[in-house]
Amino acid sequence: AQSVAQPEDQVNVAEGNPLTVKCTYSVSGNPYLFWYVQYPNRGLQFLLKYITGDNLVKGSYGFEAEFNKSQTSFHLKKPSALVSDSALYFCAVRAPSGGSYIPTFGRGTSLIVHP
Amino acid sequence: DAGVIQSPRHEVTEMGQEVTLRCKPISGHDYLFWYRQTMMRGLELLIYFNNNVPIDDSGMPEDRFSAKMPNASFSTLKIQPSEPRDSAVYFCASWASWDTQYFGPGTRLTVL
Repeated sequence: AQSVAQPEDQVNVAEGNPLTVKCTYSVSGNPYLFWYVQYPNRGLQFLLKYITGDNLVKGSYGFEAEFNKSQTSFHLKKPSALVSDSALYFCAVRAPSGGSYIPTFGRGTSLIVHP
Repeated sequence: DAGVIQSPRHEVTEMGQEVTLRCKPISGHDYLFWYRQTMMRGLELLIYFNNNVPIDDSGMPEDRFSAKMPNASFSTLKIQPSEPRDSAVYFCASWASWDTQYFGPGTRLTVL
């Protein structure tokens, strides 16, 4: 069965500093990986995805994520955090086909950016 | 496209009452998902449909929960009777396998 681990319930960072939100995964075969963001009282919103190709994926709002196959990780990063980036971030994984076709989500990481 | 539409956005009801949540997926998406989000359990997949057919309802917590998708543009999640522990935010999401999941704004359910 596929799974996603987001080891940190909360990440605190000062505005202007770089941020990293961690994600590791387990899936059979080549993974499709996703990051979503949830602002207060809103639904989950797609940020970026890795399907194939370049290991560094760029997404919305200046976020990027690096796929590392050997470490089975897909960490979310941003060079300079903004207070408005404060939200709940979800990592998700799925397989291209077969029984793990449906995305599995992590528990989420709350990002707090301090002014 | 207006995205995934859910109604109502907020629902407050009393224990024992029937609650019906509604979802309109994005046109052309052949998968529809119902999730529940709470502080304690995080985001839980309750059930999903493919081409209007329920595929996996193993996440539905009890027989009090039921979901239907009578056509490609409409789905309901019903709780009967409702209990205070059902209080949560319920999300609907739709998906085409060549695309990403799109989530609705959610229905915040409070059962008193």
